[in-house]
Amino acid sequence: AQSVSQHNHHVILSEAASLELGCNYSYGGTVNLFWYVQYPGQHLQLLLKYFSGDPLVKGIKGFEAEFIKSKFSFNLRKPSVQWSDTAEYFCAVIRNSGNTPLVFGKGTRLSVIA
Amino acid sequence: GAVVSQHPSRVICKSGTSVKIECRSLDFQATTMFWYRQFPKQSLMLMATSNEGSKATYEQGVEKDKFLINHASLTLSTLTVTSAHPEDSSFYICSARPHTGDSPLHFGNGTRLTVT
Repeated sequence: AQSVSQHNHHVILSEAASLELGCNYSYGGTVNLFWYVQYPGQHLQLLLKYFSGDPLVKGIKGFEAEFIKSKFSFNLRKPSVQWSDTAEYFCAVIRNSGNTPLVFGKGTRLSVIA
Repeated sequence: GAVVSQHPSRVICKSGTSVKIECRSLDFQATTMFWYRQFPKQSLMLMATSNEGSKATYEQGVEKDKFLINHASLTLSTLTVTSAHPEDSSFYICSARPHTGDSPLHFGNGTRLTVT
C-alpha cells in the first residue's frame, strides 16, 4: 500500500532560521507530489506541487521542494522562516494513473519563535 | 480554476441525529470524489472514494452504514453521518479533480461537525 512518511512531528525554529521538512513515499510508480499548509484555525492551502520536469519546484511564500526520485523523497525547504510560517505542513502523494486519492503524511507542526 | 464547494461549513447537531454534507464541483465534472476526515491535530485520513453512479469504496475501519455516500451526479457527492455521536465530531473534507491532464486535487473548504 502507498504510504507517506514525514519524519518530524514537531519542529521549533527561531525566525530567520532555515527550514527543511522531510517527506518520503513508498509507491514505486509515477507519482505527483504536493505540500500543503494549514495555518491555525484555517483550511488546507496548496504550497507547491510536482508533476514532472524540473525536480526543484518553487511554491508560494518562498517555499521550495526537491523531488529526488532515487530516494523517494520530496523535502520542503525555506531559507529563512518567519513567525507567520507557524503552521502544520502536510506532504501528500497521488499515483499518476487513474483517479486515485491523495495520500497524506501525518503532518509536521512548525513553530517559529521570535 | 477548478473549484470544489462544500456545504455546510459548520454544523452542530444533537447525538442521534443525522447530518448531510454536500460536495459540489462547480466548473468541472468529477466522476470520482474523495472524502477525508481530520481529527484535531491529526492528518487527513481518507474515508471513502465516491463514484458517480455506483457504490462508494470505503477505507478499512470506516463504517459504510454510518457514513452514507451518494454520488448522484457528475458534480455532486453527499456524505450523510447517520445517528451521529460525539466521537464523530471532526472536520470532514471532500476533494475532486478534473479528469483531464495533470490537474491537482481540489479541496472543499471542509465541514466542521460538532455532535453534542
